[in-house]
Amino acid sequence: DAKTTQPNSMESNEEEPVHLPCNHSTISGTDYIHWYRQLPSQGPEYVIHGLTSNVNNRMASLAIAEDRKSSTLILHRATLRDAAVYYCILRLNNAGNMLTFGGGTRLMVKP
Amino acid sequence: DTGVSQDPRHKITKRGQNVTFRCDPISEHNRLYWYRQTLGQGPEFLTYFQNEAQLEKSRLLSDRFSAERPKGSFSTLEIQRTEQGDSAMYLCASSPVWTTNEKLFFGSGTQLSVL
Repeated sequence: DAKTTQPNSMESNEEEPVHLPCNHSTISGTDYIHWYRQLPSQGPEYVIHGLTSNVNNRMASLAIAEDRKSSTLILHRATLRDAAVYYCILRLNNAGNMLTFGGGTRLMVKP
Repeated sequence: DTGVSQDPRHKITKRGQNVTFRCDPISEHNRLYWYRQTLGQGPEFLTYFQNEAQLEKSRLLSDRFSAERPKGSFSTLEIQRTEQGDSAMYLCASSPVWTTNEKLFFGSGTQLSVL
């Protein structure tokens, strides 16, 4: 399976934008890029996903490099409630919805 | 939408005992997944069901672990002869099967401590 590489942790100030990077240099043409986050004492929750084009939703934006070997999750204005572990996951289109999690990035938001 | 429900939230047991966890998925979600998560790590896939059929099992799922989904609704995960290494958060997730990219909805998990 193609793997992802994320920084272990990042810090941000409240109400500032946050850019969470993810490298996936061995991505294949059929891999979708998914992001989930896990708040303390909760199960993971879906954030966003994309294939080639940049994507926006009410939670975040996903910017995908032209060669698809990296992507960036963008939180436009971090709040204290965004403090969580963010997971970047590649999922095969035919993988039966199974997700393979890596270590993720722990985002700390300072007031 | 009541979300994915897991019971119990916490379980403390002695080594060698059997434990069983329950997961109630979101109504009408065909797929149900079990994951295990240890402190500081991302969740690890254990197994998944489509309706009542168990379609995939991880090599992590030793023969002491068994999962069922008898009527395609709720699921149980049983661990026999628990070991201290089984201490972890056990997460359940569900998803519909409309496309292969449907998002997974996770429960809050069952925290197992084996003494």
